[in-house]
Amino acid sequence: DIQMTQSPSSLSASVGDRVTITCRASQGISNYLAWYQQKPGKVPKLLIYAASTLQSGVPSRFSGSGSGTDFTLTISSLQPEDVATYYCQKYNSAPGITFGPGTKVDIK
Amino acid sequence: QVQLVQSGAEVKKPGSSVKVSCKASGGTFSSYTISWVRQAPGQGLEWMGRIIPILGIANYAQKFQGRVTITADKSTSTAYMELSSLRSEDTAVYYCARGGYSGSLESGYYFDYWGQGTLVTVSS
Repeated sequence: DIQMTQSPSSLSASVGDRVTITCRASQGISNYLAWYQQKPGKVPKLLIYAASTLQSGVPSRFSGSGSGTDFTLTISSLQPEDVATYYCQKYNSAPGITFGPGTKVDIK
Repeated sequence: QVQLVQSGAEVKKPGSSVKVSCKASGGTFSSYTISWVRQAPGQGLEWMGRIIPILGIANYAQKFQGRVTITADKSTSTAYMELSSLRSEDTAVYYCARGGYSGSLESGYYFDYWGQGTLVTVSS
C-alpha cells in the first residue's frame, strides 16, 4: 500500500507569512493528489485537485505543486481565517484512496 | 446547488450495526460516486469505501472489508453505509462525499461536496 506523510504536523506562523506544507507518497502517484482544509468543527473543504488545480471559489493565495511522490501546498500570505488542519489525499486508485495525517496551522 | 444531507446522530451498543444515509440533491446522482470517510475524535480522515451508483458497484478499503456495506438507491438519490460488529473504536463522525467517476472501476477521485457528518457513538 502507498503511504502518505505530511510535514510538519503542525506550524504556527504570523499573518502575512508564506506557509508551505509538504505531502509525500511512498510511491509515485502522478498528479492524483488533492488538498483539503478543515476548520475546527467543520466539514472538510476541497482546495486543490490534480496537484495544482485550484477549486472554484478558493482564494488565489492557495497554490499546489508537485508530481510523482513530492507535493506542496503553499499559502502565499497567511490570513486569520486560514487557521485549520490541512490534509492531502491521494486518489490514483479507488481501493487505495488515502489521506495524509494532516497539518495543523495556527496563527502566532 | 449540490447538497448531501445525512441522517442524524446514532448511539449504538458494541457488537451491533449502524446504517447511515446520505441524500443527494442538485446534481445527477448516477454520474458521480459517493464515498464514506470517517473521523474519530481528534483524529484525521479515513476513507472507508465508495459506491458507483450507475453500476451499483462498491469498492472498500481493506481495513473495512467484510464489515462495511455501501449501497445506493438511484430512485431516491440516496447512498447508505452500514457498519457491523461495532466497537468503541468506531466512535466517529461519518461523512459522505461526492467524487467523480472516470469510467474505470479502479480509478479514484477527489471529493468536491461533503455531507454535514453523522456522529456515531458506540458505547455500552
